[in-house]
Formats: sequence, C-alpha cells, structure tokens
Amino acid sequence: DQQVKQNSPSLSVQEGRISILNCDYTNSMFDYFLWYKKYPAEGPTFLISISSIKDKNEDGRFTVFLNKSAKHLSLHIVPSQPGDSAVYFCAAMEYGNKLVFGAGTILRVKS
Amino acid sequence: NAGVTQTPKFQVLKTGQSMTLQCAQDMNHNSMYWYRQDPGMGLRLIYYSASEGTTDKGEVPNGYNVSRLNKREFSLRLESAAPSQTSVYFCASSAFSSGRTTDTQYFGPGTRLTVL
Repeated sequence: DQQVKQNSPSLSVQEGRISILNCDYTNSMFDYFLWYKKYPAEGPTFLISISSIKDKNEDGRFTVFLNKSAKHLSLHIVPSQPGDSAVYFCAAMEYGNKLVFGAGTILRVKS
Repeated sequence: NAGVTQTPKFQVLKTGQSMTLQCAQDMNHNSMYWYRQDPGMGLRLIYYSASEGTTDKGEVPNGYNVSRLNKREFSLRLESAAPSQTSVYFCASSAFSSGRTTDTQYFGPGTRLTVL
C-alpha cells in the first residue's frame, strides 16, 4: 500500500509559467516532508523540505505548501525554467523512522 | 568533498552471477541506505544502516545482503542475480540518528544494473 502518492506521472508547462506538483499521503504520523529533483543518469538531489508545524516554506523560486487536514502537499515553481525539467520525488518521514518516497512526476518545461 | 560515491556506474550480469555494489560517503554521516528505482515505482528501500555496525531490512530486501564496513562504506551484495533485480541502484547517506525529527538524505549517482 503506497503511503506517498504522486498521481500525476508527468506535467508539461510553458517556460515562465507556474509549475505545480502534487503529493498525497495516507499516514497521519508523517511529520516531515521533502522534495527531491532528479536528472537522468544522476542521483536525486534535495530541493526543499517542510515540517508539519508549518504550512508553507519558500526557497527562491520554489515553495512547498502543506495541508495536513487534507494530507496533501504541493511544490510550486515560479517562474518555471527549462533547466527545471526533471523527475520530482515527494518524500515523507515519521518521527524516528525512514523516508518513504512517492513514484515521481516528470516535469517538462517547454521554451 | 565528493559526497556519496558509487561503483560501478554500469554492470551487466548473467542470471546466477554474484556482485557487490560499493558505496562510500565523506560527510561523516551516521546513516546509510540502499534503494532501487524502477519505472513507476519510485525509490524503494532495500536495506539501511542507522549506525556503524548495524543493518536493517527495508521494503524489498529479498535477494540482497549488505555490509556496513565502517562509518564511510556500505556495500550491497547480490549473491545470485535474477532478471527481476535489473534496476538502478542508489546509495544515500544522512546525519539521521534516533531523536532527530528531520532527515535529509544525500544520494550517489547510481549504478545501472542489467541481469540477463
């Protein structure tokens, strides 16, 4: 049973527009969430995280929103750039436990 | 500071052959992990080591063994490779230890393994 779900396998966005990547989770004990970005033939790299005590965290063009009641988080990229084209993984952690990853969403930013 | 390194980058095996994937980190991290990535499945945890001298099973441990050689190195062994083990394997490390409320894992570049 997948505890972390990324229901959109892919997303295509025009350069300069907003990209919104979504992630849902089922385990209410998750209290820390991360987004990773992965280019082909490379390992995932950490992008941004959020603790369950917050509902928003911002880092430059990247903002993560957390809606605990809906068990939903999203990653907003504004403005989107061609270099943002990659696979994005959502991950979640329960206190003292291991990360659980979603299946990933392929983002394509068209110039 | 190389971060997390993995060898080899690519490997082709025949069914039944054995091999060891090597991983090393230079960030003085306590915890190390082995994942496999398959299309549509995301990253699935095979084994992890919360500290030097300890190892534990993850979500998909069957067919694999691990060794935490020292704080820097964590190897993954396939004793008798099967086509179902064709995948991309990632090693990761983190400063995670019991009592921490957050964990950021840092990944190596991966090993692409094909079992014929």
